[in-house]
Amino acid sequence: QKEVEQNSGPLSVPEGAIASLNCTYSDRGSQSFFWYRQYSGKSPELIMSIYSNGDKEDGRFTAQLNKASQYVSLLIRDSQPSDSATYLCAVRRYNQGGKLIFGQGTELSVKP
Amino acid sequence: DGGITQSPKYLFRKEGQNVTLSCEQNLNHDAMYWYRQDPGQGLRLIYYSQIVNDFQKGDIAEGYSVSREKKESFPLTVTSAQKNPTAFYLCASSGLAGSSYNEQFFGPGTRLTVL
Repeated sequence: QKEVEQNSGPLSVPEGAIASLNCTYSDRGSQSFFWYRQYSGKSPELIMSIYSNGDKEDGRFTAQLNKASQYVSLLIRDSQPSDSATYLCAVRRYNQGGKLIFGQGTELSVKP
Repeated sequence: DGGITQSPKYLFRKEGQNVTLSCEQNLNHDAMYWYRQDPGQGLRLIYYSQIVNDFQKGDIAEGYSVSREKKESFPLTVTSAQKNPTAFYLCASSGLAGSSYNEQFFGPGTRLTVL
């Protein structure tokens, strides 16, 4: 079992729809959770971080964390073609020197 | 203009050569990291450093070396011992070393190709 797992996709949604990206992790000692967006050929860009159970909203993005079920998700409302990218989930465990463990990423395609 | 810079953007290496990738940050971050990304893959940690003059191996350190002589700089050398070095190399930094709440920010990356 991989430490951080994501569906590789591609996930295709129509413009204006809600895109839902999911990530599960195996280590219950994980404390911090991050979502990065990576456009093709570019470096990852941090879009959301979440540290406690529940929802965190930032504009069109909502991160959801459920530590009991060991999953974290990212919702993108009113999806736009410019949201088409690969979304990477990253997890940091307690007392691991700041190391992040990345999932393989989910490719999102928003169709006009 | 604060940020992380990496150079060069593209690098071509012949078999048997060592090459050094540059990473500089002016964010006053304590911790710096090197990752490797292969096509269609997530990021894998090569080395990281939480303070000057100290660094630790990540998950795939074999064939690589680093130094951290200055807070702002964390160069990565890809040695001839690295058997499959063609990849996208990403440098990142974060604020307080050891804090679980630190967010990591990435530089633009260096794409290395072995000829």
